[in-house]
Amino acid sequence: GESVGLHLPTLSVQEGDNSIINCAYSNSASDYFIWYKQESGKGPQFIIDIRSNMDKRQGQRVTVLLNKTVKHLSLQIAATQPGDSAVYFCAENMGDYKLSFGAGTTVTVRA
Amino acid sequence: DADVTQTPRNRITKTGKRIMLECSQTKGHDRMYWYRQDPGLGLRLIYYSFDVKDINKGEISDGYSVSRQAQAKFSLSLESAIPNQTALYFCATSDSAGAEGTDTQYFGPGTRLTVL
Repeated sequence: GESVGLHLPTLSVQEGDNSIINCAYSNSASDYFIWYKQESGKGPQFIIDIRSNMDKRQGQRVTVLLNKTVKHLSLQIAATQPGDSAVYFCAENMGDYKLSFGAGTTVTVRA
Repeated sequence: DADVTQTPRNRITKTGKRIMLECSQTKGHDRMYWYRQDPGLGLRLIYYSFDVKDINKGEISDGYSVSRQAQAKFSLSLESAIPNQTALYFCATSDSAGAEGTDTQYFGPGTRLTVL
């Protein structure tokens, strides 16, 4: 079965609000995590990553939080915009440079 | 990502036909991957290659084969296509020279394959 999954398959957000997308993982030995964004008709696009020796990492309008105690990963998007509408995947490094992907969360931004 | 290209972008074929999907990259990465994506599921790894002489099976390799013709080229073949191989196929690359313990993969635009 999957070792990485997302709590909710869909998320509807008002434009301008902050979005939080959650992901749970089961492999406590995983040491590297990535968030990808996939827009309709395109391949997954790298957003941000975090290593297991960190709790938080910030990018442009995005923040990834890692809670190793409960094996939980989240992606926060500040001031969500219509262009943020996409499917978001978390991925886990399985320790041999292969990634395991969750099923994804579809984010819809309401105007 | 324009650095990773896939051809064709769309393909419709019939059961039993042999199909080849091609992937090329200009990123200079040594590692390449083939994934399959089905509705409601995440990406599943079919095959991966860490260099030209290294080919490895992923979690769903049955019914597929690959060829790493050069560092920049990695092709996926379906020897005898069947309808349940209808899916989106993505190629990805990564760089082993990246920071230890990291493996950011960069994806191509995908190939939509339909097997009738």
